[in-house]
Amino acid sequence: DTAVSQTPKYLVTQMGNDKSIKCEQNLGHDTMYWYKQDSKKFLKIMFSYNNKELIINETVPNRFSPKSPDKAHLNLHINSLELGDSAVYFCASSPTSGGEKLFFGSGTQLSVL
Amino acid sequence: DAKTTQPPSMDCAEGRAANLPCNHSTISGNEYVYWYRQIHSQGPQYIIHGLKNNETNEMASLIITEDRKSSTLILPHATLRDTAVYYCIVRVTNLDNNNDMRFGAGTRLTVKP
Repeated sequence: DTAVSQTPKYLVTQMGNDKSIKCEQNLGHDTMYWYKQDSKKFLKIMFSYNNKELIINETVPNRFSPKSPDKAHLNLHINSLELGDSAVYFCASSPTSGGEKLFFGSGTQLSVL
Repeated sequence: DAKTTQPPSMDCAEGRAANLPCNHSTISGNEYVYWYRQIHSQGPQYIIHGLKNNETNEMASLIITEDRKSSTLILPHATLRDTAVYYCIVRVTNLDNNNDMRFGAGTRLTVKP
């Protein structure tokens, strides 16, 4: 069983479109995260949710909207996609908001054409 | 505001110990040292963390200097599958503190046959 699973693995779309990436964890963790890894391979946090409540929201355009229907799911919706949104997006979870040990998904490679 | 400094790349012979250094001269008393790695095309993977005592688990050993200004991650018998980017991160672990795990550039370790 995959601990943190995200879909789709690859996403190719046109500029201006709206797309979503789904993430689910079956570890019973309280906190989930979205990270973005750009072409230079720097991994940056975007959001974190603890028990469905937003606790970290870095300087991310408001075109990005996370949604947590329950503590096992954290989806990322992106409106009006831009070329610069092309990156690999990783979902992660940790047992508590202290985030002492993160478990990452395998990533979603988003390509905006 | 990088809190850690790591060499950009290192090589290691298969079967030998890989010693990955990390400088964190401005570390605070309540900050832990974490190590993660990212194998190509995968999400980051937690390896180990510690505060001031040396730590060992099934993956690696972590040696922290007495002044805590630097540490070394040791993979005792490196294999080709250990080729990855290794990240050293310092952060506070506190259930009331919503600090996120911030990744730097890391060290690209190449294990050679």
